[in-house]
Amino acid sequence: AQSVTQLGSHVSVSEGALVLLRCNYSSSVPPYLFWYVQYPNQGLQLLLKYTSAATLVKGINDFEAEFKKSETSFHLTKPSAHMSDAAEYFCAVRPVYNQGGKLIFGQGTELSVKP
Amino acid sequence: EAGVAQSPRYKIIEKRQSVAFWCNPISGHATLYWYQQILGQGPKLLIQFQNNGVVDDSQLPKDRFSAERLKGVDSTLKIQPAKLEDSAVYLCASSLDGALSTDTQYFGPGTRLTVL
Repeated sequence: AQSVTQLGSHVSVSEGALVLLRCNYSSSVPPYLFWYVQYPNQGLQLLLKYTSAATLVKGINDFEAEFKKSETSFHLTKPSAHMSDAAEYFCAVRPVYNQGGKLIFGQGTELSVKP
Repeated sequence: EAGVAQSPRYKIIEKRQSVAFWCNPISGHATLYWYQQILGQGPKLLIQFQNNGVVDDSQLPKDRFSAERLKGVDSTLKIQPAKLEDSAVYLCASSLDGALSTDTQYFGPGTRLTVL
């Protein structure tokens, strides 16, 4: 079964610093990959997605992620953190051969931004 | 464009009681999903509808959970009877067509259920 591992349940950075949130997937066939953000008491909002086009994917709010097949990774980065980036971030995979579109989520990484 | 609507936002019940959640997807979206998100975990799919038919309910505890999507639009998720471990946020999502590789799921704000 496919799975997603997010390394680090909590990440803390200073405002203006680089944000790096790690995500690794387990699959013999590269799946479609997604990053979602969840603010307190809200639903999930799509940041970006990889669907086998360019390996470097740009999303909203200056976030981007790079698909690396050799490392089975899809890490999320942002050059300069803002206070408003504090939230929970989820990496998710959609198996290529799953015709239903089901997403399998990682356990999430809580990002804190210090002033 | 209106997003995915869910109600209620919060619900507190005693164990063994029943509860129902309602979801109104984005207009024109054929696929509707119900996810369960337990505190500290990522969302887990409970059931997926394509129009008014069930695509995947393999992780739905069918002895106590039920869901329907009449007329292929709104959906209701019911728990009867509730257990303590059902305390979670129940997220509804919708998408144009779950069979498309580029399909994107849009999530509602969720219903936070507390079972005492």
